[in-house]
Amino acid sequence: DGGITQSPKYLFRKEGQNVTLSCEQNLNHDAMYWYRQDPGQGLRLIYYSQIVNDFQKGDIAEGYSVSREKKESFPLTVTSAQKNPTAFYLCASRVGMNTEAFFGQGTRLTVV
Amino acid sequence: GNSVTQMEGPVTLSEEAFLTINCTYTATGYPSLFWYVQYPGEGLQLLLKATKADDKGSNKGFEATYRKETTSFHLEKGSVQVSDSAVYFCAPSLDTGRRALTFGSGTRLQVQP
Repeated sequence: DGGITQSPKYLFRKEGQNVTLSCEQNLNHDAMYWYRQDPGQGLRLIYYSQIVNDFQKGDIAEGYSVSREKKESFPLTVTSAQKNPTAFYLCASRVGMNTEAFFGQGTRLTVV
Repeated sequence: GNSVTQMEGPVTLSEEAFLTINCTYTATGYPSLFWYVQYPGEGLQLLLKATKADDKGSNKGFEATYRKETTSFHLEKGSVQVSDSAVYFCAPSLDTGRRALTFGSGTRLQVQP
């Protein structure tokens, strides 16, 4: 079955550490997205990529970095520069403007 | 600029009650419209969609109609069940530059037996 796989489901980070969240899709979608969700709030766009080897900052990119070396993979690194990283992170992919986005199951990141 | 406004929650209903969650948006064109549902601890799942004026999206007893005149896409269900308890997001396709969905703030629905 086609879909998006995020891993791990839960992740704990110590102060000052970088951590990388994995996102893999086998839907053959060009566009991929990373969102952050805080409790009781909507989704905010961190980074997006419309094609392999290209990505752009979203609304809250500070303290995050991404890469898009393969069409199916769009990992997100939460760096030590992100001062409040505890949140639920969602990866999505999409074919085009009039189509739905498909989401992974999310990664819950907690700073310990 | 383009934006979406969604009814604030939480919404608490008894089983078999009628549900309406309002969603309105501002846009320069005619975006595709989507409703997503999120169960606790999970990602978002597409609930229904409509891509042009007067289209009605429907799924699992939920319905929403693309109202061009009022730029609205209200979610309705005639008889809710406890299993419908979740957070619902309205998501019009407003962000043409980034080809991203714009999400409302989400409405938490709690259905009591």
